[in-house]
Amino acid sequence: AAGVIQSPRHLIKEKRETATLKCYPIPRHDTVYWYQQGPGQDPQFLISFYEKMQSDKGSIPDRFSAQQFSDYHSELNMSSLELGDSALYFCASSHLLKPSGRWDTEAFFGQGTRLTVV
Amino acid sequence: DAKTTQPPSMDCAEGRAANLPCNHSTISGNEYVYWYRQIHSQGPQYIIHGLKNNETNEMASLIITEDRKSSTLILPHATLRDTAVYYCIVRPLIVRFGAGTRLTVKP
Repeated sequence: AAGVIQSPRHLIKEKRETATLKCYPIPRHDTVYWYQQGPGQDPQFLISFYEKMQSDKGSIPDRFSAQQFSDYHSELNMSSLELGDSALYFCASSHLLKPSGRWDTEAFFGQGTRLTVV
Repeated sequence: DAKTTQPPSMDCAEGRAANLPCNHSTISGNEYVYWYRQIHSQGPQYIIHGLKNNETNEMASLIITEDRKSSTLILPHATLRDTAVYYCIVRPLIVRFGAGTRLTVKP
C-alpha cells in the first residue's frame, strides 16, 4: 500500500540558507500535518492543511511557511535557517471524514526528512 | 470554532423560496458548514451540510461561496411548517448553537 512520501530524506544546509521539504500524502487523503522533532525531543506540531487550506497552526516559526497544492502534496519552506532548525521533519496525512460520516483523525506518517544546518 | 453571523429574523411568503444567509469569515479548512433548525419546543433538526461545493437534499439547498466565508440555505418552497429558528454552524467536532435566525412563514 502507498504510504506518505517525503523528499528529500536528508538535507544539509548552511545558516541563513533556505530549504524546501516536500510531502506527498497517501492517495485520497485530504489532510497533511507537519511536525518537527529535535534531537531527543517529542515531535512538535507545526501546521496542517485540509483541502488546500490551512486548518491548524502550531509552533511554526515565522521564518517557515507551508502550503498544500491542488494535487494535495504539501511543501514546507524554511528561510534564514538557524542551527536550531536541525531536526527531523515529519509529514503525516489523513482522510478527515470516513465514508460512514464519522470524523477520523488517524494520521499516517512519512519517514521524515533529516535537516542538518551547519 | 469559527463564529457565524446570521440575521436575527426573516419573513417569507408561503410557497416562495426562503434564502437564509450566514457569514462565517473565520472558517477553517477542516470545518464544514452545517444547518440545523429548531421548531418550537423540539430538539434541533439536521437540515444539510457542506464543505465547499453546493449541496442539495430533499429538504433544502446549500450554496457556499468559493472563498467559503459565507453560505445561503435555500428552502425552495417554504411552508408554514418551516417556521423555525435556523442555525448555521461551522464545525468539525463541537456543536455550539448561536442565536440563529427565526424564520416566519406567513400565509
